[in-house]
Amino acid sequence: DAMVIQNPRYQVTQFGKPVTLSCSQTLNHNVMYWYQQKSSQAPKLLFHYYDKDFNNEADTPDNFQSRRPNTSFCFLDIRSPGLGDAAMYLCATSQIRGANHEQFFGPGTRLTVL
Amino acid sequence: TQLLEQSPQFLSIQEGENLTVYCNSSSVFSSLQWYRQEPGEGPVLLVTVVTGGEVKKLKRLTFQFGDARKDSSLHITAAQPGDTGLYLCAGGERDAGNMLTFGGGTRLMVKP
Repeated sequence: DAMVIQNPRYQVTQFGKPVTLSCSQTLNHNVMYWYQQKSSQAPKLLFHYYDKDFNNEADTPDNFQSRRPNTSFCFLDIRSPGLGDAAMYLCATSQIRGANHEQFFGPGTRLTVL
Repeated sequence: TQLLEQSPQFLSIQEGENLTVYCNSSSVFSSLQWYRQEPGEGPVLLVTVVTGGEVKKLKRLTFQFGDARKDSSLHITAAQPGDTGLYLCAGGERDAGNMLTFGGGTRLMVKP
């Protein structure tokens, strides 16, 4: 089945220790997104790639970076995690077509910062 | 900046009851998605509506897009414990690529 995969599902890191979260997709979608979601809140968009074009949200901290080496993979790098970065990180994909704005989400990575 | 107001924020009901969740905006959306998210998982797409006045049914769930494409509702008939979760509406705009504006979410708990 076509899907969005995130690894790991749970990540524990120490304050200030860099961490990388990964996302892969078999949907062959041209857009990939990273969202941050804190408890019972709506997902907050961090950035997205339209093919290889990177688009950063204005309020995304510099501490967050992303890489998309190919269509299938996208990575979220947190350079110096703080306690406030503990959250669920969601990867999503979509294919630009007409009025349909559907995004398909992965299962998420729960990040804990000690 | 477009905003989507979702209500209620929290809903706790008994199994078998009916409920409606609302999603409202002062702006027009090209499409409206509804997602359900269970604890520890990512949101799962339930339905997309794109036409004003459109009604879609998914078993006990009925989704409606307002005539002016500014609002939407999700109605659940005879709720079951398996319906428990966070329900999110998200609107897409024609001029915003594939960006979505999310509502604040409705946390539903259905007690057996």
